[in-house]
Amino acid sequence: EPEVTQTPSHQVTQMGQEVILRCVPISNHLYFYWYRQILGQKVEFLVSFYNNEISEKSEIFDDQFSVERPDGSNFTLKIRSTKLEDSAMYFCASSGVAGGLTDTQYFGPGTRLTVL
Amino acid sequence: AQKITQTQPGMFVQEKEAVTLDCTYDTSDPSYGLFWYKQPSSGEMIFLIYQGSYDQQNATEGRYSLNFQKARKSANLVISASQLGDSAMYFCAMREGGDYKLSFGAGTTVTVRA
Repeated sequence: EPEVTQTPSHQVTQMGQEVILRCVPISNHLYFYWYRQILGQKVEFLVSFYNNEISEKSEIFDDQFSVERPDGSNFTLKIRSTKLEDSAMYFCASSGVAGGLTDTQYFGPGTRLTVL
Repeated sequence: AQKITQTQPGMFVQEKEAVTLDCTYDTSDPSYGLFWYKQPSSGEMIFLIYQGSYDQQNATEGRYSLNFQKARKSANLVISASQLGDSAMYFCAMREGGDYKLSFGAGTTVTVRA
């Protein structure tokens, strides 16, 4: 069964450093998302991406964040200068061809980011 | 205002019994979709079941069913014949028409006892 994959599973970085989180969405999906979950809290939407551009973003997704689809398979989230409060589990998700309300978003296993 | 409210932070259920997880939502959009996800202790988010606002029947997927009461704006998840492997955090989420994002509730932790 196709699945979303994410690398690395755990990333430790120093405050102020740049990190890139990588995701490989399900191959025939066209819509891609990043969410984050701070430990013990609810899952929060960051950004959605379709047709090589951002389709929606939250207030959390400020200038420190960027997304890219550098090739036909990868989808990345970059945090330019990490802060302590960026420590969280970051989930990539993808959904299918219609983009409609019924499209289920399938999540990857997550990358746990720890900022020291 | 919270779009999704899950009022039960934690629940215990005996193996083989059914458990109902509450979810209420808030939207003025007539088109929306409601989703339930399971998050085991390993951390991944697993899709369980979907209910659309225009669906006439309650959704079912194996041991999971959704008790959809549109007038009450509730979409409770029922897990029948609980198994030890059902122990996890369960999240209710909503997607409103025109939006791409899912809005999640705070989650309910379910612990299944042998």
